[in-house]
Amino acid sequence: NAGVTQTPKFQVLKTGQSMTLQCAQDMNHNSMYWYRQDPGMGLRLIYYSASEGTTDKGEVPNGYNVSRLNKREFSLRLESAAPSQTSVYFCASSETGQFIGELFFGEGSRLTVL
Amino acid sequence: AQSVAQPEDQVNVAEGNPLTVKCTYSVSGNPYLFWYVQYPNRGLQFLLKYITGDNLVKGSYGFEAEFNKSQTSFHLKKPSALVSDSALYFCAVRDWSGNTPLVFGKGTRLSVIA
Repeated sequence: NAGVTQTPKFQVLKTGQSMTLQCAQDMNHNSMYWYRQDPGMGLRLIYYSASEGTTDKGEVPNGYNVSRLNKREFSLRLESAAPSQTSVYFCASSETGQFIGELFFGEGSRLTVL
Repeated sequence: AQSVAQPEDQVNVAEGNPLTVKCTYSVSGNPYLFWYVQYPNRGLQFLLKYITGDNLVKGSYGFEAEFNKSQTSFHLKKPSALVSDSALYFCAVRDWSGNTPLVFGKGTRLSVIA
């Protein structure tokens, strides 16, 4: 059972570089999410996609862009990385309707911006 | 706006003793409430949820949580703690009335000592 797969697991960037975090889920879920986790801050929502073809801003969207490529894939792009974006990034998915709010998470992508 | 508070950053308990991890919430309507657990270097895993019905909800690994509407609380409990329960625990809430994503608390680190 693959579930939610994120790549890469680790990445080191220099300030100003760009990169894309990839996420794919094989559970046929409608909704997908990108969170960041910082010590003492819990999880904060960056962007989400309630269904294929839609994306919405979360709590901390500045400095990020997303693409819902298809039902399976939801990518997060940092156009010009900043040290404040050093974090652990989690992708998650959920089935809307019956499984309201129950999220399935990937293993995380640890990003360091120097 | 919806919010979650986990008043304790750290909870220490001896193995075999009961444990409680506290959570209070604020929503404009009726809440959907969740507990997730995160083991080191892993993504979050769903433990249990309250949608409606019985105020005592039973979940994975022997955990349960009690919904208290008057106190706006949803504390996580387990009758007898195991060392393997040591992890980071997150409470999350969303308002049932809107198609809004979950809001997570900042997390409580549980340490069970042998």
